[in-house]
Amino acid sequence: SQKIEQNSEALNIQEGKTATLTCNYTNYSPAYLQWYRQDPGRGPVFLLLIRENEKEKRKERLKVTFDTTLKQSLFHITASQPADSATYLCALDENDKIIFGKGTRLHILP
Amino acid sequence: DARVTQTPRHKVTEMGQEVTMRCQPILGHNTVFWYRQTMMQGLELLAYFRNRAPLDDSGMPKDRFSAEMPDATLATLKIQPSEPRDSAVYFCASGLLWGHHNEQFFGPGTRLTVL
Repeated sequence: SQKIEQNSEALNIQEGKTATLTCNYTNYSPAYLQWYRQDPGRGPVFLLLIRENEKEKRKERLKVTFDTTLKQSLFHITASQPADSATYLCALDENDKIIFGKGTRLHILP
Repeated sequence: DARVTQTPRHKVTEMGQEVTMRCQPILGHNTVFWYRQTMMQGLELLAYFRNRAPLDDSGMPKDRFSAEMPDATLATLKIQPSEPRDSAVYFCASGLLWGHHNEQFFGPGTRLTVL
């Protein structure tokens, strides 16, 4: 079955810089890939979806790329702010279900 | 502002007791998911329903867990008997599945502690 790998170590980024998070998967390329944000004590919140035939998707300060050759998605936050500090989860479809990575915790330092 | 609601938000119980968690999905959503989140395993899919029919519960320990959707406004997850290893946060999510879109809207979760 599909495995999703996200960096388990926390990522510390200086405010104003671009934060880049990585999501790798092991098997077949999914039809689409999603990114969610989770704050402590809350449920995940959907941010962006990118389909297999899309290379890049943007939403305000967020950008997601999808490279089916590398089996990888990158999630970028430009002009990062302390309010962007959270855990970011990558998710993809598998047989009509959604499976999640364990997430990467992002700290934006003021 | 439509949102998924879950009750209770917190539950502390003793091993062997029955636990029932409830979820009200967003009105009009046709897909409901139950997840369990722990530090070690992350977010694991336990079961999901489409149009109230159970589609997959392979992630659930069948001997003690059961999930039902008695009507379109209520989904339940029951553990009987509960064990300490069931301690986790349980999330319900709902979505409107169409084409390749499967954005999920999560509830606030039920934090379960089994002593």
